Amino acid sequence: EIVLTQSPGTLSLSPGERATLSCRASQSVSNSYLAWYQHKPGQAPRLLIYGASIRATGIPDRFSGSGSGTDFTLTISRLESEDFAVYYCQQYGSSPPLTFGGGTKVEIK
Amino acid sequence: QVQLVESGGGVVQPGGSLRLSCAASGFRFFNYGMHWVRQAPGKGLEWVAFIEYDESNKYYTDSVKGRFTISRDISNNTLYLQMDSLRAEDTAMYYCAKDRTAVARHFDNWGQGTLVTVSS
Repeated sequence: EIVLTQSPGTLSLSPGERATLSCRASQSVSNSYLAWYQHKPGQAPRLLIYGASIRATGIPDRFSGSGSGTDFTLTISRLESEDFAVYYCQQYGSSPPLTFGGGTKVEIK
Repeated sequence: QVQLVESGGGVVQPGGSLRLSCAASGFRFFNYGMHWVRQAPGKGLEWVAFIEYDESNKYYTDSVKGRFTISRDISNNTLYLQMDSLRAEDTAMYYCAKDRTAVARHFDNWGQGTLVTVSS
């Protein structure tokens, strides 16, 4: 089973600032099969990125993903008020179990 | 427009059973793999179970193997999770989620969730 470790646990930033979130895998994620989700309280999670760097339908271009192997990054270029949420990475490169990282909370400073 | 609506959650005693349902609409249900994902109170997301689009395979996280069963009924576009021998640690919000493509194994649509509480 691939274990995903996200850092930092919490990121305190102001609107307009850049957010950089890390996701590190315990072993290489094949084909860069890594996705990122945004989750707000009381709402369904939302797919942001798949294939490490491909934005899902309707996702603004301030969200970008990068990385390969064991190290992946989600960047939000300029935070808007609606971006304050918890973000999860998920790998799907290996046979189930599919695994999520523990999450990074992006909060307003 | 894709819609996933979960139901069947509630309060159950340890050792009891529940069956969760997820009514799907707005897409060709039989063409997509489907998943259950849960979130325990104050915790992160945890993948629980997956059924392939053609029901050829079913997969489970280790902690629920032998206790939970995922199934689907294409005649009424519904996904199920039969949960037996429930434990306190199964307490969580349970979400159904749709594969982005037939075999994507990442999720482009989620329901709003149904809450399961296991407590005496």
